Amino acid sequence: DARVTQTPRHKVTEMGQEVTMRCQPILGHNTVFWYRQTMMQGLELLAYFRNRAPLDDSGMPKDRFSAEMPDATLATLKIQPSEPRDSAVYFCASGSLGRTWDPEAFFGQGTRLTVV
Amino acid sequence: DQQVKQNSPSLSVQEGRISILNCDYTNSMFDYFLWYKKYPAEGPTFLISISSIKDKNEDGRFTVFLNKSAKHLSLHIVPSQPGDSAVYFCAALAQGGSEKLVFGKGTKLTVNP
Repeated sequence: DARVTQTPRHKVTEMGQEVTMRCQPILGHNTVFWYRQTMMQGLELLAYFRNRAPLDDSGMPKDRFSAEMPDATLATLKIQPSEPRDSAVYFCASGSLGRTWDPEAFFGQGTRLTVV
Repeated sequence: DQQVKQNSPSLSVQEGRISILNCDYTNSMFDYFLWYKKYPAEGPTFLISISSIKDKNEDGRFTVFLNKSAKHLSLHIVPSQPGDSAVYFCAALAQGGSEKLVFGKGTKLTVNP
């Protein structure tokens, strides 16, 4: 049963602390997206990767957010330092876009982040 | 700049009736559109999609209509069931380009028994 796995599912942290969220995309998928869900903005695209290369991270606050794909089985989203306004649910999604094109993206269950 | 807009935050319908969820887009480069369904505490799941070469795609109780000239699409659910109660997100991408999947803010559908 192929699925996108995100860890942790929940994270409560104090303002100023570093937060790292992890995502294991579906094996064989070449594209990984990071989204943030808030009441005001819906699903905001933060960053995405194609074949592990970052294609667009214009949705991320550059000074505190960073996204990486150290290998094909792991994508990370890091916030340092975290702020209360970062509290949201962060979703990772993977898909086979581009040359082997299948536009459906599969989502993980999300990481609910609370910064106090 | 919201490129994909879902102007109705919520919709309530009676079981058995039709639910119509609307979506507008501004980027004329978008040529593939998807609807996702999201239950609380879960990730969005793919529901149905449509390419810009079509104006209608049907899958069981779900039909998506695309009006390219109006940059408008809609999702019809008929008959609506209580289990359809969820948040529905419209998404769009431009094939062959960045293929960045852009979402609207979602519409919360409640189907009353």
